[in-house]
Amino acid sequence: ETGVTQTPRHLVMGMTNKKSLKCEQHLGHNAMYWYKQSAKKPLELMFVYSLEERVENNSVPSRFSPECPNSSHLFLHLHTLQPEDSALYLCASSRTKQGNEQFFGPGTRLTVL
Amino acid sequence: GQSLEQPSEVTAVEGAIVQINCTYQTSGFYGLSWYQQHDGGAPTFLSYNALDGLEETGRFSSFLSRSDSYGYLLLQELQMKDSASYFCAERDSNYQLIWGAGTKLIIKP
Repeated sequence: ETGVTQTPRHLVMGMTNKKSLKCEQHLGHNAMYWYKQSAKKPLELMFVYSLEERVENNSVPSRFSPECPNSSHLFLHLHTLQPEDSALYLCASSRTKQGNEQFFGPGTRLTVL
Repeated sequence: GQSLEQPSEVTAVEGAIVQINCTYQTSGFYGLSWYQQHDGGAPTFLSYNALDGLEETGRFSSFLSRSDSYGYLLLQELQMKDSASYFCAERDSNYQLIWGAGTKLIIKP
C-alpha cells in the first residue's frame, strides 16, 4: 500500500471518446505529478502541481488536460487521443515539490484503439 | 540536452552482487535518485545521492561521482525478489526528475 491510488487500473477507449483518470493521495503531500510510461522508454513527466497550482507543463498535447481540485486529488482528462498515447499513466506525490522521494500509484494502463 | 544512460538488461546469480551503472549529461544537476519497479507494479524509491560518495541502506547501496557525471546502484546478497527494473533519475534545478530508460535485472537461481 503506497498511499497513492489510481482509478481505473485499465482503460480501453476509442479515439473519439472522452475519459478521465483519477489519482488520490492519502499522505498529506503538497505536490502531485502525472507521468507517462511507455515500454523501454524513460518515464516522461507530463504535469506537476504544487499546492494545487500547476507549476510545470512539459509540452504535453492539449488532448491531455489536468485538474487538481485540492491537494489530495489529481485528474487527467483525456479527449480525442491517438493510438500512440497508449501507455501506463502514473500518478505520484511528494511532500513538497522539492522533496527527494516521490510515491507512485499503481498506474492506469491505457489502450487507445 | 538531458539524458541518462543505463544498461537495458543485467543478469546475475542469486546470492551474488550486481552493480547497475548510470551516466548523466546535464547542466543544473542536483542529485541522482534510484527507483525499483516490479513488473505490473509502481516505481518505489530506493535512494538519493546529492553529494559524492556511497549511501548504504541494507543490501542496497548507491554511489555518486559528480566530477564523472556517474553513479551506480549496488545490490548485495541478491534474492529472487530483487528481479525488477531499476531506474536512475536525475533531479534538475527545477526539482523535477529526468529518468533513464531503466535496467531490467534478471536473477538466476
